[in-house]
Amino acid sequence: KAGVTQTPRYLIKTRGQQVTLSCSPISGHRSVSWYQQTPGQGLQFLFEYFSETQRNKGNFPGRFSGRQFSNSRSEMNVSTLELGDSALYLCASSLGTGVTEAFFGQGTRLTVV
Amino acid sequence: DAKTTQPPSMDCAEGRAANLPCNHSTISGNEYVYWYRQIHSQGPQYIIHGLKNNETNEMASLIITEDRKSSTLILPHATLRDTAVYYCIVRVNRDDKIIFGKGTRLHILP
Repeated sequence: KAGVTQTPRYLIKTRGQQVTLSCSPISGHRSVSWYQQTPGQGLQFLFEYFSETQRNKGNFPGRFSGRQFSNSRSEMNVSTLELGDSALYLCASSLGTGVTEAFFGQGTRLTVV
Repeated sequence: DAKTTQPPSMDCAEGRAANLPCNHSTISGNEYVYWYRQIHSQGPQYIIHGLKNNETNEMASLIITEDRKSSTLILPHATLRDTAVYYCIVRVNRDDKIIFGKGTRLHILP
């Protein structure tokens, strides 16, 4: 079966711009989580969506937001980009109920210049 | 904050068993131990998880101490492709929020 698909794979943006990243989960999975990975902070949880509702949220400023559609696809948006937002953004999908493992996509590498 | 402590790096000879330790002394009764690994420039990959019994799958074995305060991931016959950062995580299963620590960077030596 197809894995988790993230688009685009690479992105370069300018400070102050906004960006939208997309994640298509594995078919049948209802939970989508987002993570930011930087060399300094490692892998950090951003938020999780389940059945179109945000179920969990990490400690990131309000510039980071997300949403989930009825087909479980998810997008995350970062507004007013800062240089420190340069990172690998990873999406993970899971069934979202009970004992389940999360499957990660390859990530979107965002560079802010 | 991550609830686990792992050594920052380990070496293992190719073909030998790699034993990766993890301390989780504050684990709660409803928290599971999960292991993921991340090969360079890829997304993390699920390996195995367990609650209190030892577990084995096609990739690895997970040994959890009786008091559940520590565990060991065992890769029975390490290959060069097992070179990765290995993350030990504790989480409740109703919650898909994963708090990653810094993990252990495993080097497989030819």
